[in-house]
Amino acid sequence: SQTIHQWPATLVQPVGSPLSLECTVEGTSNPNLYWYRQAAGRGLQLLFYSVGIGQISSEVPQNLSASRPQDRQFILSSKKLLLSDSGFYLCAWDPGLGNVLTFGAGSRLTVL
Amino acid sequence: SQQGEEDPQALSIQEGENATMNCSYKTSINNLQWYRQNSGRGLVHLILIRSNEREKHSGRLRVTLDTSKKSSSLLITASRAADTASYFCATDGNNDMRFGAGTRLTVKP
Repeated sequence: SQTIHQWPATLVQPVGSPLSLECTVEGTSNPNLYWYRQAAGRGLQLLFYSVGIGQISSEVPQNLSASRPQDRQFILSSKKLLLSDSGFYLCAWDPGLGNVLTFGAGSRLTVL
Repeated sequence: SQQGEEDPQALSIQEGENATMNCSYKTSINNLQWYRQNSGRGLVHLILIRSNEREKHSGRLRVTLDTSKKSSSLLITASRAADTASYFCATDGNNDMRFGAGTRLTVKP
């Protein structure tokens, strides 16, 4: 069966520090991978999606970046965090557009 | 940017009552999905309805889709306190999955 792992679960970082959130999927190959951000009490904002290794589509201009170094690994990064980067980050995968998304448990980032 | 918009933003009902949430979207779709999120957790898929379907049932859930109005509704019948959560619709337009802002449902015991 397929599983998705996302870590760390909680992160408190100072403004200007770097960020790395990691997501891995097991039990499938060539998944579509997604990073979403959710502000407190709000909906999901799509940040990045990837249909294959090295293929990243960015939805919102910002100081975040994403990489997919391996088929089932998706990393969200920042060189210098801003206060506005605080939020709940969710990784998700699906076997192809229009199929059911499976989400990780989320990573709560607080930038102080 | 978000594709769907749910309303109401918040809904509070008594246990045993029915809860209806609505979703509107903007572009053509292949399917529409509803997800549930408990506070501070990831989203969990509830039901998928294809663009050529008008109604779908799953247990106490009933989803309708009106592609001419670009809208969908989620009905939860005989609600329980455990149904308390946020509910989101998602559509597959624009080559990715887009979510609305969600409806926060509170079911009082």
